[in-house]
Amino acid sequence: SAVISQKPSRDICQRGTSLTIQCQVDSQVTMMFWYRQQPGQSLTLIATANQGSEATYESGFVIDKFPISRPNLTFSTLTVSNMSPEDSSIYLCSVEEMADGGPSYEQYFGPGTRLTVT
Amino acid sequence: GNSVTQMEGPVTLSEEAFLTINCTYTATGYPSLFWYVQYPGEGLQLLLKATKADDKGSNKGFEATYRKETTSFHLEKGSVQVSDSAVYFCALVDSSYKLIFGSGTRLLVRP
Repeated sequence: SAVISQKPSRDICQRGTSLTIQCQVDSQVTMMFWYRQQPGQSLTLIATANQGSEATYESGFVIDKFPISRPNLTFSTLTVSNMSPEDSSIYLCSVEEMADGGPSYEQYFGPGTRLTVT
Repeated sequence: GNSVTQMEGPVTLSEEAFLTINCTYTATGYPSLFWYVQYPGEGLQLLLKATKADDKGSNKGFEATYRKETTSFHLEKGSVQVSDSAVYFCALVDSSYKLIFGSGTRLLVRP
């Protein structure tokens, strides 16, 4: 399976500032996703990062708050803008690997970025 | 809409006990089903999957069978170890390739 890394692994930020999280994959993938995991909660999909076009956001998430870039098939960034304490979460990227003949529907996750906003 | 329901935790077991974590789903059609595991301080790892009715996914001694008639995908392991302590997430993938997760079940195995 693909090896996924994220930077930074954790950060403590002041409210009102922004943080950009990087996701790097060791192979080319078509589908990349960004999730949020609030403390003690399950994962919620923020958006699908599309290569060469705007990301597709889920209900409740907007581009102004969570701008996403996907410049190529191995890299994506998520920015958390104008942060507040409610943004304190773990942010994870994932990729879907293709199987022979089509999608595998299997997603593999990066280690996550633990963000604390004070 | 599509959804996944898991039994609430925490589940506390002694080492070598039998484990069952219940998972049921609501979906249109027949989605692929997954179990993911999250060890403390780490990201999610794919544990096993099943893509059609009556399929059994298995990995590391864990098993789950896709039951269409009961819309269930319960996770089982015959003999748990302390190292199995983690949070387990049941999930399905919908027609838009989106993973929909259950709320997660924390497992604590005591020596």
